[in-house]
Amino acid sequence: RKEVEQDPGPFNVPEGATVAFNCTYSNSASQSFFWYRQDCRKEPKLLMSVYSSGNEDGRFTAQLNRASQYISLLIRDSKLSDSATYLCVVNQGGKLIFGQGTELSVKP
Amino acid sequence: EAGVVQSPRYKIIEKKQPVAFWCNPISGHNTLYWYRQNLGQGPELLIRYENEEAVDDSQLPKDRFSAERLKGVDSTLKIQPAELGDSAVYLCASSPGDRAAEAFFGQGTRLTVV
Repeated sequence: RKEVEQDPGPFNVPEGATVAFNCTYSNSASQSFFWYRQDCRKEPKLLMSVYSSGNEDGRFTAQLNRASQYISLLIRDSKLSDSATYLCVVNQGGKLIFGQGTELSVKP
Repeated sequence: EAGVVQSPRYKIIEKKQPVAFWCNPISGHNTLYWYRQNLGQGPELLIRYENEEAVDDSQLPKDRFSAERLKGVDSTLKIQPAELGDSAVYLCASSPGDRAAEAFFGQGTRLTVV
């Protein structure tokens, strides 16, 4: 079993749609959590950290459920520019473990 | 401020040849990571440094891969000899060392072994 699991997609959605990604992690001792965005042939970049109380940044909302060991990312009012791969990342004692990534394609 | 700098950006070599990648992290970042990313997959950790000490190299194939971080700044990752299956993007990242802090990635080196 992978330490961090994501549905690879692709998720194909129209502009303006709301889309949600989930991620599960296996190690309950994981300390911090992130969502990274990776554009085609580019390096990963931090999208947002994920806090236990949930957090929002504009159209993006991240949630953490420690009891169930899953993390979610909600994107509202999708834009064409949101098309990318979204990577779920878990920090275990300083080691950043990446999921496979979920591919999102937003269509006009 | 400059980000993480990697070189070369692209490298094509024949199998059994050696290859080296270089990384200059963000100034002041104590933690340095080397990741390997295959097409359609997330980055996989090869080695993590805290200053000049390799604190996690459990996933580094030590029969052919080696890394060093002299003086706790720049780092070099070497493969000798390269195999066809080593073709991938090699990403370097750095972090201030706070375990809640984000990691900043370089643009990566795309290695093709033929």
